[in-house]
Amino acid sequence: EIVLTQSPATLSLSPGERATLSCRASQSVSNYLAWYQQKPGQAPRLLIYDASNRATGIPARFSGSGSGTDFTLTISSLEPEDFAVYYCQQRSHWPTFGGGTKVEIK
Amino acid sequence: QVQLQESGPGLVKPSETLSLTCTVSGGSISSYYWSWIRQPPGKGLEWIGYIYSSGSTNYNPSLKSRVTISVDTSKNQFSLKMRSLTAADTAVYYCARLVAVAHFDPWGQGTLVTVSS
Repeated sequence: EIVLTQSPATLSLSPGERATLSCRASQSVSNYLAWYQQKPGQAPRLLIYDASNRATGIPARFSGSGSGTDFTLTISSLEPEDFAVYYCQQRSHWPTFGGGTKVEIK
Repeated sequence: QVQLQESGPGLVKPSETLSLTCTVSGGSISSYYWSWIRQPPGKGLEWIGYIYSSGSTNYNPSLKSRVTISVDTSKNQFSLKMRSLTAADTAVYYCARLVAVAHFDPWGQGTLVTVSS
C-alpha cells in the first residue's frame, strides 16, 4: 500500500496570504496525484488532477506541482471560502488518500 | 452535468449487511468507472472499491472479503453491499465517478450510515 503523508496537519493563515500544502508518497506515484477540498458537511471536491492540472471551474489561485514522491498544493492568495480541509490522493496499485491538512483562519 | 445521489438505510445493526445504491443522473453510467469511498466521523477518506460499467471490479484489499459492488446499467445505478458490519464501519459513504482510473469527480453528497443495535 502506498502511504501519503500530508503536512502540516493544520495551517493557520489570514485571508490574502499564500498557503503551501505538502503531500509525500511512500514510493513513487509518477504524476498520478490529485488534490481535493472538503468543507464541513460537504463531499470532497476535485481541485487538481495529474499533479498539476486544475479541474473544471477551479480558480487559478490553486496550483499543483511535483512528481514522484513529493507534491505541493499552493493557494496563491487565500479567499474566505478557501478555509477547509485538503486531501491528496494517489492511484497506483489502488487509490489511497492522505490524512488531510486543515487550513484555518488565523 | 453528471450528478450522483446515494440512497439506503441510515442505521444498520452489527453483523448485518449494508446495502447502498448510487443513482447517476445527467449522463450515462456506461463507459465509466464508478466508486465507493467512506469517511468515519471526524476522520479521513478510505476507498472501498470501484466497478466499470461492464461489471469488472477492484476492491480495497482490507475490505475485499466483505464487499460486493454491482452495476445496473438499465437503471443508471451502481450498488454497494458490505457484510458483517461492526461499529468501525460507521461512516459517511460517498459514491463518485473514477476518471481515467485516477481521480474522483464528481462525488455524491454522501450518506451517513451508523452501525448500532
